[in-house]
Amino acid sequence: DSGVTQTPKHLITATGQRVTLRCSPRSGDLSVYWYQQSLDQGLQFLIQYYNGEERAKGNILERFSAQQFPDLHSELNLSSLELGDSALYFCASSGGQGNIQYFGAGTRLSVL
Amino acid sequence: EDQVTQSPEALRLQEGESSSLNCSYTVSGLRGLFWYRQDPGKGPEFLFTLYSAGEEKEKERLKATLTKKESFLHITAPKPEDSATYLCAVPDRGSTLGRLYFGRGTQLTVWP
Repeated sequence: DSGVTQTPKHLITATGQRVTLRCSPRSGDLSVYWYQQSLDQGLQFLIQYYNGEERAKGNILERFSAQQFPDLHSELNLSSLELGDSALYFCASSGGQGNIQYFGAGTRLSVL
Repeated sequence: EDQVTQSPEALRLQEGESSSLNCSYTVSGLRGLFWYRQDPGKGPEFLFTLYSAGEEKEKERLKATLTKKESFLHITAPKPEDSATYLCAVPDRGSTLGRLYFGRGTQLTVWP
């Protein structure tokens, strides 16, 4: 168990809808990262938050947004969903020790 | 920008047949190289971090090594439970506590 908790584990929704994915980092970790994993793209970085502030952005679509709350949990919001958004979404957290990122079990999103 | 390239894409070994997985990287000023193991439908599990050429780390049947241009993950006398996808990653050279660039992984299958 990595200590990173993601909910829900599975999400099935329709095109055009909006969903929210939730992540609780390991105790004490200030950094949260979101990654998308699809069969054809591998693990792709989306966005990073550090202690509530956005720190870095990857190729995150404008339809996607995230935030990190004062209790350090994070949410990834995906809107106007398309079929191509179907993927595994992972959250990772790190506490600075060598920047080791510990990953949650992921949320599998299926857009029908 | 292909920062990390892994080979082979897939590897099938008989139980006990040792082999090596390769990870080559193009980023300069390396701030560490990470190896992860990922089981189907699960999040990546941290294995090793290597920071400087010549460094080696071991864990059970796995040994990771690092040169100036590549890293190897040596698997000695593998067992079926070693079957997984092995991912390597390097951090963004422009920041600390930053994103990781992942390779596409090597899917290892060990058969009895």
